[in-house]
Amino acid sequence: AQSVTQLGSHVSVSEGALVLLRCNYSSSVPPYLFWYVQYPNQGLQLLLKYTTGATLVKGINGFEAEFKKSETSFHLTKPSAHMSDAAEYFCAVSDRAGGGNKLTFGTGTQLKVEL
Amino acid sequence: NAGVTQTPKFQVLKTGQSMTLQCAQDMNHEYMSWYRQDPGMGLRLIHYSVGAGITDQGEVPNGYNVSRSTTEDFPLRLLSAAPSQTSVYFCASSYSRFSADTQYFGPGTRLTVL
Repeated sequence: AQSVTQLGSHVSVSEGALVLLRCNYSSSVPPYLFWYVQYPNQGLQLLLKYTTGATLVKGINGFEAEFKKSETSFHLTKPSAHMSDAAEYFCAVSDRAGGGNKLTFGTGTQLKVEL
Repeated sequence: NAGVTQTPKFQVLKTGQSMTLQCAQDMNHEYMSWYRQDPGMGLRLIHYSVGAGITDQGEVPNGYNVSRSTTEDFPLRLLSAAPSQTSVYFCASSYSRFSADTQYFGPGTRLTVL
């Protein structure tokens, strides 16, 4: 079974600072990789995903993530944090081998942005 | 398009009561699924459907039933509610069962079982 690890359940950054949220997966075959964002009392919204091709993926709101097969990682970054980035972020994977579009989620990272 | 809609937004049940959480999508998506979100555990898959008339179990199916009579609707039934089912429930849909497809999530139903 696949698993996803998000290091750091809470991350705090200053406005304008670099945002780095970590995600590692465990599976012998690299899965499809996703980052979702959840604002308070809302559903999840896709930030970006990696399926194939270029390993650096750009998403919405200035976020990007890089797939590194050798490190089994898909860390999310943003060069300059904004107050509006405060939310919970989930890394998720789905199996390339098929069996349906079933997502396995990490436990989430709550991002706080301070003035 | 309204996207994925869920009703109710909030619900309080007593142990042993039954209820149905409603989910609908207007995007003609083939694939629909239900997740529950618990603090510190992320989201976990309860049931999913790859098309009308076809459903299957996810990671945590016990205590829940689903059916899919139309493409648009995918209700989740709690047969006899238990406090362990206190959670936030999200419905999601995607264009197909292809595992690279983006899933679109509804706003959620916050359920409390006393």
